[in-house]
Amino acid sequence: GAGVSQTPSNKVTEKGKYVELRCDPISGHTALYWYRQSLGQGPEFLIYFQGTGAADDSGLPNDRFFAVRPEGSVSTLKIQRTERGDSAVYLCASSRTGLSSYNEQFFGPGTRLTVL
Amino acid sequence: SQQGEEDPQALSIQEGENATMNCSYKTSINNLQWYRQNSGRGLVHLILIRSNEREKHSGRLRVTLDTSKKSSSLLITASRAADTASYFCSFTGANSKLTFGKGITLSVRP
Repeated sequence: GAGVSQTPSNKVTEKGKYVELRCDPISGHTALYWYRQSLGQGPEFLIYFQGTGAADDSGLPNDRFFAVRPEGSVSTLKIQRTERGDSAVYLCASSRTGLSSYNEQFFGPGTRLTVL
Repeated sequence: SQQGEEDPQALSIQEGENATMNCSYKTSINNLQWYRQNSGRGLVHLILIRSNEREKHSGRLRVTLDTSKKSSSLLITASRAADTASYFCSFTGANSKLTFGKGITLSVRP
């Protein structure tokens, strides 16, 4: 595809429910990142995949959050037992490589998650 | 905290004027990137400058990097109303994740 795509664009759920957010990176990009952005703040790093493996998951806030990238392309961010504090825009980005000196990261439009 | 800090937090200028935005950071970096965001959704990549570079240009954008002062600036020349957005600086260190500041809100009055 031409850019990073994310689905759904908006997700409203009730407290305690399970949600899945999907990211489709730019074709050929080996590195994929998830960030979370709260209102008035900059994006905060959650997790980074190099290929199929999570190279850095240090930003995941707790064990309710989990992400997979089974075939090294599409990734799914999974949130269990959602809480109102999980409400935010979840952003996905991809880059051609994971080498930090060269990794211009290209972002998708985000999924706005609202937990009621 | 390794978070970058942008300055000013908000900037309002007249169309045609230049806009200068600054960013400081505390850790060693491999590269620094500037992004633009409209309406709180996806970020648009503007420019990447590596730690061994001092200045880069892209169209109306000019970015400088001073690693001795741990600071960067983004200059937008001849601003347009369409430049109204939030601007973020971000950087990577030894790992690949981007660390963002809180952003600068730029308003360009027509």
